[in-house]
Order: sequence, then structure tokens, then C-alpha cells
Amino acid sequence: QSVLTQPPSVSAAPGQKVTISCSGSSSNIGNKYVSWYQQLPGTAPKLLIYDNNKRPSGIPDRFSGSKSGTSATLYITGLQTGDEANYYCGTWDTSLSAGVFGGGTKLTVL
Amino acid sequence: QMQLQESGPGLVKPSETLSLTCTVSGDSISDNYCAWIRQPTGKGLEWIGLVEYSGKTAYNPTLRNRVTISLDTSKKKVFLDLRSATAADTAVYYCVRGYIGADYLDVWGTGTTVTVSS
Repeated sequence: QSVLTQPPSVSAAPGQKVTISCSGSSSNIGNKYVSWYQQLPGTAPKLLIYDNNKRPSGIPDRFSGSKSGTSATLYITGLQTGDEANYYCGTWDTSLSAGVFGGGTKLTVL
Repeated sequence: QMQLQESGPGLVKPSETLSLTCTVSGDSISDNYCAWIRQPTGKGLEWIGLVEYSGKTAYNPTLRNRVTISLDTSKKKVFLDLRSATAADTAVYYCVRGYIGADYLDVWGTGTTVTVSS
């Protein structure tokens, strides 16, 4: 069981918008920044969002993030078939003194 | 731009030690840390631990009694040792850079596959 909880899968049509949730607790999301990672099939994960809502250079503004309390959300607008991937949230857990991830969400673009 | 490359045996026997090396090129890891993350086939990411530039370490509580992460004196190689390996340790292992005081991992190696089997 992952410390952070994500839905196993989400789907939407091309051009539509999708949200992926990440739920945690006061020892992780509640007091730490959240990051999001995109893992395309057969590749290493890539940083997509950091510090809850910041995008690294090169990440399109179709990807955005937010945090409220002990939950975080990844938003993807204008879905493209190339967005089909697994998405993971991550942060630090102060109780565990360790990094933690969500179980991952598989995005299908129908 | 920093690059990270994992290397090590692709096959480890049960009960032996799984040992991997991460070679750092480009930027130094000064003011940063290197973490090891693993991913069993078809499953999610698991945080194993990290070593800071100073040598300070932190480990996943579930692996703490079996794992050691260290840095060589050149600060260009990071080592992972996972003792008493079992089939459950079979995974792709990633070396990743993080920032001290921050909560994200921004540079990932390509990963190396390790199978634990006799």
C-alpha cells in the first residue's frame, strides 16, 4: 500500500481535460510540497510539476497542479494521445523521514 | 546538465547482496542529493533512500535494516547495497537527483534492471 493515494486509472477523449488526485496526510502533503512525475511506456519517470504548481522548463502549460490541505491535484488540458502514461505524485513524509509516492494513475486518452 | 547512469549486475542470487553504482556526469551533486528509486515490473515507484553531498543518509523504513547508500570521495559515484536479496527485490532501479530542502526529483537515470533469481 502506497502512503499517497491515487486513482488507478483515468480516461478522457483527445482535447478534453482530466484531473488526477493525490491524497495524503498531515505528515506529508499537509506540510510539504507535492511533485508530479510522468512515466511514458518503457521510459524513466520525468518531473512534470514541482512545489505543487511549478513547471520545469519545457513542460507545456497544459499541465498544472494544485494543493489543498492534505490533497493535491494534477490537471491536464487539451489531452493528446502522447499524454498516455502513468502519473505519480510524490513528496517527503516527516513521520517516516523518507520520500513517498502515490501508487500511480494510468491515463488513457480514448 | 547533470546526467546519471546506473550500472551493476543484472542478475543476483537470493540471499546475496544487490550492489549498484550510479555515475554522475555534468554538474556536481554539490548542495544536492542522490536518491535510489525502484520499480517492480508493472508496479509503482518505491523510494529506497538517499545520500546527501555531505554523506548524510536517509532510508525507507521498510528497507533500512538491509540497505546502505554511500558516496565516493570524488562525489561522482553513488553506491547502493541491498543485502539479503529476495525475488521481491527484482525491479528497475533508478538513480535520481534531488535538492536538499526541496521535495522533488528532477534528474533521473535511465534505470537498470535487476533480477533476483537462482
